[in-house]
This record gives sequence, structure tokens and C-alpha cells, in this order.
Amino acid sequence: ETGVTQTPRHLVMGMTNKKSLKCEQHLGHNAMYWYKQSAKKPLELMFVYNFKEQTENNSVPSRFSPECPNSSHLFLHLHTLQPEDSALYLCASSQGYSNQPQHFGDGTRLSIL
Amino acid sequence: GESVGLHLPTLSVQEGDNSIINCAYSNSASDYFIWYKQESGKGPQFIIDIRSNMDKRQGQRVTVLLNKTVKHLSLQIAATQPGDSAVYFCAENMGRVDYKLSFGAGTTVTVRA
Repeated sequence: ETGVTQTPRHLVMGMTNKKSLKCEQHLGHNAMYWYKQSAKKPLELMFVYNFKEQTENNSVPSRFSPECPNSSHLFLHLHTLQPEDSALYLCASSQGYSNQPQHFGDGTRLSIL
Repeated sequence: GESVGLHLPTLSVQEGDNSIINCAYSNSASDYFIWYKQESGKGPQFIIDIRSNMDKRQGQRVTVLLNKTVKHLSLQIAATQPGDSAVYFCAENMGRVDYKLSFGAGTTVTVRA
């Protein structure tokens, strides 16, 4: 596989469930990102990892918990989510920080019942 | 404030015509800009980028123009095709913190046959 792969593509969960989103990049990049995309709103940066170290938590509620075991894999653990958390969650990667394009996966469409 | 905006939320273009998508940014410290294309059900796809030491850059059928004086960015698509129908986003870096991209809300381009 090439590029950035996200699984699952769709997820429906209740507010008390625990689930995880997975992202894998095959580009040899060292920085990975989680974004939230809601309808009619710009992309919102959630978390940033550089060489497996978290360098940004953009005031994200603790019900979202990221994990980056290595430079190729990124997870987003979900617990006790709210209906307003329903959105498209996008993973991206880039080669370093400075002025490099971020390459996105196709996202996980999350619906909270 | 630091925000990126697009002049028009929608653009309808006749197939074969040229398209121009505009973007205004407010952070004068930004020195890197990217255009993305997002088709329905997919993640944003990198189109072209430009650094602030340039005012024009060309790719395959696309040209990005940067006017730092008025903080304006545009994407020109030559000979628009049905496959160009998508939402187009501009993004700027946040100046000092290079990896943080600020995204606009997007322009929906519809190509008429």
C-alpha cells in the first residue's frame, strides 16, 4: 500500500463505548497529525507527533487520547464521546516540520449515537 | 487574527474554461502556502505549494499566484475538467511554528458539462 491509510473508514458508536482509530503511513515521514473536519468548518488540528514524540495538543478534550508507537503508526483512542464529536477524523503525515506539505488519509467518518 | 479565508464558497465553471479560486490570508508572518483538493468521500489531496520568496509557481494544469502585498493567494486551473469538481482549500503555515497549518473553509467547484 502507498500513502496514508486510515481504518476503519466508518464508525458508529454509543457515547459509552471505547474505540480506536488507526492510521498508517507508507511515505517514510517522521511527523504525523490528527485533524477533525466538521461540516462547513475549516480543518481543526488536534495532535501532532514528531519522531513519536507528541509536540502539540491543541486543547483537545481528554476523551480523545492519541498514541504513536513509531513514526509509521498513529492511533486515536476514543472514550465517552459526545454527539458533537461526530465528524470526519483525518490523519496526515509530513517529512519534517518546516515548510513541507502534509499528506492526508481518507479519514474515518465517526458518528456518535 | 490569524485566519485563512476564501472569497467565494462555491464556483461553477464550464468544462474547458479556466478556473480561478481565491484565498485571502491575514498572517503576514506566514511564509508557506498550500492548495489542497478534496473530493467527496476522500481526504484532502496535495495540489501545489509555494514559498513566500516566490510569487508564482506552475504545476500540471495548475498555477498558484501569491501576492504578499495584499495577502492574497489564488489557484488557477487550466482547461477545467469534470474530474476537477471538488472542494479546494488553501492553507498557510503559522509563521514561527512551521508545522501548524491554518486552513480555509473551502471553495466548492462544480464543473458543468
